[in-house]
Amino acid sequence: DAGITQSPRHKVTETGTPVTLRCHQTENHRYMYWYRQDPGHGLRLIHYSYGVKDTDKGEVSDGYSVSRSKTEDFLLTLESATSSQTSVYFCAISESGGLKSTDTQYFGPGTRLTVL
Amino acid sequence: GNSVTQMEGPVTLSEEAFLTINCTYTATGYPSLFWYVQYPGEGLQLLLKATKADDKGSNKGFEATYRKETTSFHLEKGSVQVSDSAVYFCALSDHTNAGKSTFGDGTTLTVKP
Repeated sequence: DAGITQSPRHKVTETGTPVTLRCHQTENHRYMYWYRQDPGHGLRLIHYSYGVKDTDKGEVSDGYSVSRSKTEDFLLTLESATSSQTSVYFCAISESGGLKSTDTQYFGPGTRLTVL
Repeated sequence: GNSVTQMEGPVTLSEEAFLTINCTYTATGYPSLFWYVQYPGEGLQLLLKATKADDKGSNKGFEATYRKETTSFHLEKGSVQVSDSAVYFCALSDHTNAGKSTFGDGTTLTVKP
């Protein structure tokens, strides 16, 4: 199994508070991704990173920011949490995104976030 | 843009039944295609993949063939087990976009003894 951990695994917070989720990998993979999973929506990409300090937005990035100061860590921050951000958040990594890559993604165990 | 459409669920089968979960895609170029499986309380994990037309991916008795002419990648298993109960996601990656993948909405499979 790919070495990916997420912390915390569960969190309950209140509307308006900032929240930071952490993804840590031991595979030295270049690409890292944050998704949210909601019933009826499958997986939706929030943000991704293609290297240290290199990040870009996904399809549902509003209200979220990310940072990657080291290859192994990718942080997702909810600046001011809202109830609509209650979800399960998954981090994923990919070895490369080049033309010779199969782009298999390896997922962490997820973080269940509840915003009251 | 890229998209993946997979068979709506949930799907309920008896043990040893034949399974098909349909998946079709829209993409530019020549994407790689994947099936991921998610067991309760866990993250997604790769089940099988195919990287070019006519390739067949297989794993744990599951198979899927990359059909470019019909833009499909249907998942099949000849005899399902209770332990196959999970959510199955079809996905594609077009190689040109930072390794980003596009996922279908998932199909929940329940296998009854």
